[in-house]
Amino acid sequence: ETGVTQTPRHLVMGMTNKKSLKCEQHLGHNAMYWYKQSAKKPLELMFVYNFKEQTENNSVPSRFSPECPNSSHLFLHLHTLQPEDSALYLCASSQEPLANAGETQYFGPGTRLLVL
Amino acid sequence: KNQVEQSPQSLIILEGKNCTLQCNYTVSPFSNLRWYKQDTGRGPVSLTIMTFSENTKSNGRYTATLDADTKQSSLHITASQLSDSASYICVVPGAYNTDKLIFGTGTRLQVFP
Repeated sequence: ETGVTQTPRHLVMGMTNKKSLKCEQHLGHNAMYWYKQSAKKPLELMFVYNFKEQTENNSVPSRFSPECPNSSHLFLHLHTLQPEDSALYLCASSQEPLANAGETQYFGPGTRLLVL
Repeated sequence: KNQVEQSPQSLIILEGKNCTLQCNYTVSPFSNLRWYKQDTGRGPVSLTIMTFSENTKSNGRYTATLDADTKQSSLHITASQLSDSASYICVVPGAYNTDKLIFGTGTRLQVFP
């Protein structure tokens, strides 16, 4: 285990549903990230939070809404998604922001999302 | 065109054999390069982080090399094991001093007995 947990591990939702993905890190890290991994595509950064403040929004559609209530928890709220949003959503954390070259990211197991 | 290209896309080898995975990148300026291993159904796990001044770095049976002049890196796996079956992903920061990492599409390695 990497110390980063994600729930649920699998999620099926309709296009009109509202759901939330949860990520928790038990490592005492200060930076947390959401990534999207689609089949046969590279991981895409979605959001970055440093010390609970959002520092990166990689042009993500507003139907994805992140929330970081404290440095250990990160949520991704989903609303009116499209079938093309089906993917593996990965959460990660690092001790300090990655701008510090030597920082290692620790990934959770991901949530496999299917939008019907 | 992705700024991080990996080859081959997939590779099949027999247990006990060695293999080498390639990564070419175009990102500049360059600060560091990372290799991750991703098992099926799991998140990526960091294998190595190499700064621009490092040429070689080992982690057990994994050895990464870096040539910052030609912007190429390789990951060599020695005496492969069945547990090495995974995707291996090369990652480079999108620009200097940024949290945005550019990921390659990965090499899917399968080790057969």
